[in-house]
Amino acid sequence: QVQLQESGPGLVKPSGTLSLTCAVSGGSISSSNWWSWVRQPPGKGLEWIGEIYHSGSTNYNPSLKSRVTISVDKSKNQFSLKLSSVTAADTAVYYCARDWNGHDAFDIWGQGTMVTVSS
Amino acid sequence: SSELTQDPAVSVALGQTVRITCQGDSLRSYYASWYQQKPGQAPVLVIYGKNNRPSGIPDRFSGSSSGNTASLTITGAQAEDEADYYCNSRDSSGNHKVFGTGTKVTVL
Repeated sequence: QVQLQESGPGLVKPSGTLSLTCAVSGGSISSSNWWSWVRQPPGKGLEWIGEIYHSGSTNYNPSLKSRVTISVDKSKNQFSLKLSSVTAADTAVYYCARDWNGHDAFDIWGQGTMVTVSS
Repeated sequence: SSELTQDPAVSVALGQTVRITCQGDSLRSYYASWYQQKPGQAPVLVIYGKNNRPSGIPDRFSGSSSGNTASLTITGAQAEDEADYYCNSRDSSGNHKVFGTGTKVTVL
């Protein structure tokens, strides 16, 4: 049973860089799945941030592309998110999720981690 | 267009049927997946593909699609179905995922 767990600082200063990691357990990140980051500002809807394949191929939300980097560490079975130049608008719960191979759907989600941008 | 539009809120009487819609140009080319989210919890996949339910999802949940509109139907709504529901699909380029605006379902 694959499980995902997000980790990282809960507080980031404005203009700084948000960094989160998603640890994959119970399965290999090198399986034929894409791995995504999704966020949800308080009281608002879900926003797809981007995705990565174990080869390192990525796709990013065009509205965030200039600030986002997603990377993979196969040796640690995890993938990571970096979001630069953050503002209060980036305050959100950040989720990692597995895009189920061949089904175009997020079948496994992490529990989410709240990140607040504030000085 | 990369937008998926949903009605903000719908209500349904206990045991009745409710349909939630998701509109967007990309839905003419790609299926939508549907997610249920309860307060303080991560989203849960309820429908994917043409009309498929993951293991453990009750058969009162079903999906359909026509033209630029995807629909999630709950037949015989239960109190535990009260939640926010989001559709997701690809944008017109096919390279990016996009979520719908979300629908809050209230079971009366």
